[in-house]
Amino acid sequence: QKEVEQNSGPLSVPEGAIASLNCTYSDRGSQSFFWYRQYSGKSPELIMSIYSNGDKEDGRFTAQLNKASQYVSLLIRDSQPSDSATYLCAAQEGQGFSFIFGKGTRLLVKP
Amino acid sequence: DAGITQSPRHKVTETGTPVTLRCHQTENHRYMYWYRQDPGHGLRLIHYSYGVKDTDKGEVSDGYSVSRSKTEDFLLTLESATSSQTSVYFCAITDGGGTDTQYFGPGTRLTVL
Repeated sequence: QKEVEQNSGPLSVPEGAIASLNCTYSDRGSQSFFWYRQYSGKSPELIMSIYSNGDKEDGRFTAQLNKASQYVSLLIRDSQPSDSATYLCAAQEGQGFSFIFGKGTRLLVKP
Repeated sequence: DAGITQSPRHKVTETGTPVTLRCHQTENHRYMYWYRQDPGHGLRLIHYSYGVKDTDKGEVSDGYSVSRSKTEDFLLTLESATSSQTSVYFCAITDGGGTDTQYFGPGTRLTVL
């Protein structure tokens, strides 16, 4: 059973701090990885995609990928209360066209 | 925002009745997916399509069927709804053109009494 594992949280950080979200995946064939943000009652929206080992930065967000360790992370700098949401990590299956999602980590940013 | 709509957005039905949910996209993307999302389980794939009339089962396909007669429409049918199918259903699309980024529709909240 291919899986993506995330800590369910909640992860609580003060406003202005760095939030660090992590996930691990089991499918060694996966090459594409994604972070989605989901507000309560809304659909997931894409924040970042990453395909190569290393870091990828986009504004306040940095995604990190380590394929050897099968580990993906998302850093959110200068966290804002509006960042409070559930963050979903996803991996595209190595063979096929489907995606495997983690159960999500709930982030709370306190003013 | 990706051009994905779902209908209906909310539905309440009774056990044993058939239900069809519709996903419509205006992006001309090849791949379409149906997920359900439940507390404690996250997003789980029900069925997906990789082209017109080409579909495949996902992780939780029992009790569901799908059809795709046009590129833009992907239908999910619950032949005989059960209370365990009460959930939020999301449609997603991917262009399969290399980035393979999935975009989600707004969701349908289904309650089976």
